[in-house]
Amino acid sequence: EAQVTQNPRYLITVTGKKLTVTCSQNMNHEYMSWYRQDPGLGLRQIYYSMNVEVTDKGDVPEGYKVSRKEKRNFPLILESPSPNQTSLYFCASSLLRATDTQYFGPGTRLTVL
Amino acid sequence: AQTVTQSQPEMSVQEAETVTLSCTYDTSESNYYLFWYKQPPSRQMILVIRQEAYKQQNATENRFSVNFQKAAKSFSLKISDSQLGDTAMYFCAFMDVEGADFGNEKLTFGTGTRLTIIP
Repeated sequence: EAQVTQNPRYLITVTGKKLTVTCSQNMNHEYMSWYRQDPGLGLRQIYYSMNVEVTDKGDVPEGYKVSRKEKRNFPLILESPSPNQTSLYFCASSLLRATDTQYFGPGTRLTVL
Repeated sequence: AQTVTQSQPEMSVQEAETVTLSCTYDTSESNYYLFWYKQPPSRQMILVIRQEAYKQQNATENRFSVNFQKAAKSFSLKISDSQLGDTAMYFCAFMDVEGADFGNEKLTFGTGTRLTIIP
């Protein structure tokens, strides 16, 4: 089944404790992206990647890191999480570009205490 | 920077009626894409419809259609014969194609409209 998977689905952590949210797609997509969703703010793009080893900042990259060492994986890293990073996070992928249909993962609910 | 505005935070409509969700955007570019994405209570985001700015004809997908007014920078979504399964958060999104020529592949979303279909 073609899908985007994220792990974990739910995470509660404390300020400053490094964490990684994994994202994987099995559709051989070139484009991958991370978003955060907050009430009243909609979805905001954090980072995106056009291909392996090619990443670029979205609108809200501060406090986040990403890597794209393999085409299928695009982990989101929070080196020192803070409470303002409490949010719902979505990973998405598309065939080549952002103009192609984005396929979203199920979301990761992160709470930073 | 491009901005996308959805001025209706919440809407509700009776089943089988028609509803229109509004979206306006701000850009100085002439070539871009616009999208409507749906997020039902399951949280799974799904593409509803896509419009290319250089195409005059409004996009349609079954009961979903758009009214694209390029000069007014307006991109509304019309849902005909609404069904209970249409209950969801709807997001309008924008992508500048001309910026993509310079490596910018950012996708900008609006704040969403929560639509409830009443039985």
